[in-house]
Amino acid sequence: AQRVTQPEKLLSVFKGAPVELKCNYSYSGSPELFWYVQYSRQRLQLLLRHISRESIKGFTADLNKGETSFHLKKPFAQEEDSAMYYCALSGQGSGYQKVTFGTGTKLQVIP
Amino acid sequence: GAGVSQSPRYKVTKRGQDVALRCDPISGHVSLYWYRQALGQGPEFLTYFNYEAQQDKSGLPNDRFSAERPEGSISTLTIQRTEQRDSAMYRCASRRGRGDYNEQFFGPGTRLTVL
Repeated sequence: AQRVTQPEKLLSVFKGAPVELKCNYSYSGSPELFWYVQYSRQRLQLLLRHISRESIKGFTADLNKGETSFHLKKPFAQEEDSAMYYCALSGQGSGYQKVTFGTGTKLQVIP
Repeated sequence: GAGVSQSPRYKVTKRGQDVALRCDPISGHVSLYWYRQALGQGPEFLTYFNYEAQQDKSGLPNDRFSAERPEGSISTLTIQRTEQRDSAMYRCASRRGRGDYNEQFFGPGTRLTVL
């Protein structure tokens, strides 16, 4: 079974402070990990994925297989980062496409 | 082109009625997914299709739920004999195809309320 855990329902930080949204997963094979974001009144959209090792809007996430974690980080929070963030997992390879989402963390950046 | 669209955006129905939710994916996208999202929860996988073939329906909660994609494009999720516990946001997503690392593009969702 595959499972994604986001322990924090709400994370409040001040503008300019560092941000870390936690994500832990359970999966028996090699996973693909993603972060999705939903801004107010907008659709759920992909923020980044571990396989591309990219930084999007200043956010990065490193897959730690030893700790089975994929935490999302940003050194300096901005007000426009306020949104719901969902960590998601899928099996690797084109043959397995079921995606499991975590329960989400609401990030609130205080001006 | 246009993104994923869903209709209706809001549906209020009485317990026991059947409802049909429609998803129109991005043109040419091979894969189509249905999710259910309860308040305060993440999207919960229901089922997905590659072209017209339903590949995995393990997330459908019971036999009142069914989905089809007969021509490999538009999909319909049907809930028969609705119950109050079916109230949720139903989300559809499409994916271009193999080799693009599972990026899904989501529609706006249909908010279903069962009275």
